[in-house]
Formats: sequence, structure tokens, C-alpha cells
Amino acid sequence: EAGVAQSPRYKIIEKRQSVAFWCNPISGHATLYWYQQILGQGPKLLIQFQNNGVVDDSQLPKDRFSAERLKGVDSTLKIQPAKLEDSAVYLCASSRNGGRETQYFGPGTRLLVL
Amino acid sequence: RKEVEQDPGPFNVPEGATVAFNCTYSNSASQSFFWYRQDCRKEPKLLMSVYSSGNEDGRFTAQLNRASQYISLLIRDSKLSDSATYLCLTTGNQFYFGTGTSLTVIP
Repeated sequence: EAGVAQSPRYKIIEKRQSVAFWCNPISGHATLYWYQQILGQGPKLLIQFQNNGVVDDSQLPKDRFSAERLKGVDSTLKIQPAKLEDSAVYLCASSRNGGRETQYFGPGTRLLVL
Repeated sequence: RKEVEQDPGPFNVPEGATVAFNCTYSNSASQSFFWYRQDCRKEPKLLMSVYSSGNEDGRFTAQLNRASQYISLLIRDSKLSDSATYLCLTTGNQFYFGTGTSLTVIP
């Protein structure tokens, strides 16, 4: 069974530029999560999707971050414009159906904002 | 106050030692609890779920104390390969990871 796929693996941009990350969850997984992990910290949930609907986006900085999962499969997370403090690893995870289900993480996208 | 708190360590222990980590959570409505392991520059991977009655998986034992709102992870007979960061996750209406506890097992 293929794992969670993410691209790109690395991205370097200048502040005020835009960037987008892509995630393809494990086939059949209804729930998809985007996390931000800053160096030395635990992952912070940005947004949770159940199929193509948003379950929780309370910690998503909506003035600059957006995410979509239009067809309930793959998802895109965008930052526009980026700030220096957005430098982090962006992790995508999926689970069969949320709640107590195990979350499987992708390898992450390492973003550096200069 | 953070939703989930962990002692960041680092914990440096010799091979064969027993080591325990705690994770405290502030939301009494938290429903499910997990321990994840994260190797350097890698993604988190599930180590074990934490059940109300406590559970064991080989050298690893997880406990939940709802009254005091903490979970624990005990590792017996530490191996070099156990060196990693251990993250706790609480779920309910929202999901919160702790900052992680760094463990280094020394030969």
C-alpha cells in the first residue's frame, strides 16, 4: 500500500512570495490533515478535512494560509504571502476516518523563507 | 498554558536502562491518546495508542491517568535504536501534539 505522498520535498522562497504544497493521502483515507512543525516543536494542526469538507481550521492563519481538497482526495496548502516565521516542515497526514484512527504521515515539505 | 506539555529532555540513558516519559494535557474532554516516535528529519510514526486500562507492546508500556490528566510511556531494556523524539498526541474536538521528548540511548 502506498504511503502519503507530498511534494515538493524542499522549497526555498523569499518573504512575500507565494508557495503551494501538495499532498496525496493513502488510498481510501477519508480524513486528511495538514500540520506545521517548527524546529524544536511538535506538529501543530493547521487544518483537518473529512472527504472534501473542513472539520477544523481553527489554527490556520487564514489571512495568508489556504487549503483545499476539492475532490476529497488530494489536497493543496498555500501560503500567500510568506513570512520568515513560516519556515517549518509542513506535514500531511491521513487516516481512514478521523477520531481514534491512526494517522499516517507523509515525508513533509521543508520550507525556508529568506 | 499549552494544551499538551512534555519534558523536552534530553534524556541520555545507557543501553538496557528503563526510562519513562510523561505527557500532561489540559483539556479534560480529550478522548484519545497516542505516542508517536519521530527520528531526526523524518516524519512522526505511530508507536502505540494509549488505552484507559493501560497497554503493553513488547518493551513499551503506555498508561493513561484521566484523574491527573497525563499519559506515560515506559521503555524497558533500552536499545540504541530507541534513540528518537517521542511525541504525545491527544485528540477530541481538536488534535494537539506535545513538543516531544528527546531520548538518546548510549552504548
